[in-house]
Amino acid sequence: EVKLLESGGGLVQSGASLRLSCVASGFTFSDFFMDWVRQAPGKGLEWIAASRNKARDYSAVYSASVNGRFTISRDISQSILYLQMNTLKAEDTATYYCVRAHPCWYFDFWGPGTMVTVSS
Amino acid sequence: DIQMTQSPASLSASLGETVSIECLASEGISNSLAWYQQKSGKSPQLLIYAASRLQDGVPSQFSGSGSGTRYSLKISGMQPEDEADYFCEQSYKFPLTFGSGTKLEIK
Repeated sequence: EVKLLESGGGLVQSGASLRLSCVASGFTFSDFFMDWVRQAPGKGLEWIAASRNKARDYSAVYSASVNGRFTISRDISQSILYLQMNTLKAEDTATYYCVRAHPCWYFDFWGPGTMVTVSS
Repeated sequence: DIQMTQSPASLSASLGETVSIECLASEGISNSLAWYQQKSGKSPQLLIYAASRLQDGVPSQFSGSGSGTRYSLKISGMQPEDEADYFCEQSYKFPLTFGSGTKLEIK
């Protein structure tokens, strides 16, 4: 059974850093593309970062809104996906979802999410 | 960026009614379109991918269609458990973008 479980969210001040983690199980982590998608309170979904699989050298892609501030990475040995978030802004306040992505970039499994609140 | 215009923003349907939700892409996306259902307080779940392919385990009352820039999700026979928010996503080009969502409620 595929499982994704995020952690690391919390309340931080504007300008601070935070690292989110996502423990994956039930599938071969290195074979799959993995992404982060966020959802501001009461709002829609926003894709923010992608990590391709081992065959694609785990190459990363970012949305313009987080490029240069956020970094997606993996610990393959522990099947953990990370999102390092620096220089956080109030507009980064959201629930952050770890998602498994098909090579055609649709998301077939989602974690329950972890909430990040950035106070200004 | 590809803009996804989703309509309607909200919809109220009676039990057993058939409803449709549409997404219009700002450019052609070659059927690279997925639909998700998000129930209150839960994470989204994939319903349809590649515009019309049903994800494993999703009831056949859900169906997707469309081509080019215009796509739709049809729910045949509204059930209480179908009350949720629905989102489309284009996966044709980065940045991946979502529609703004449709809130579906029971009348």
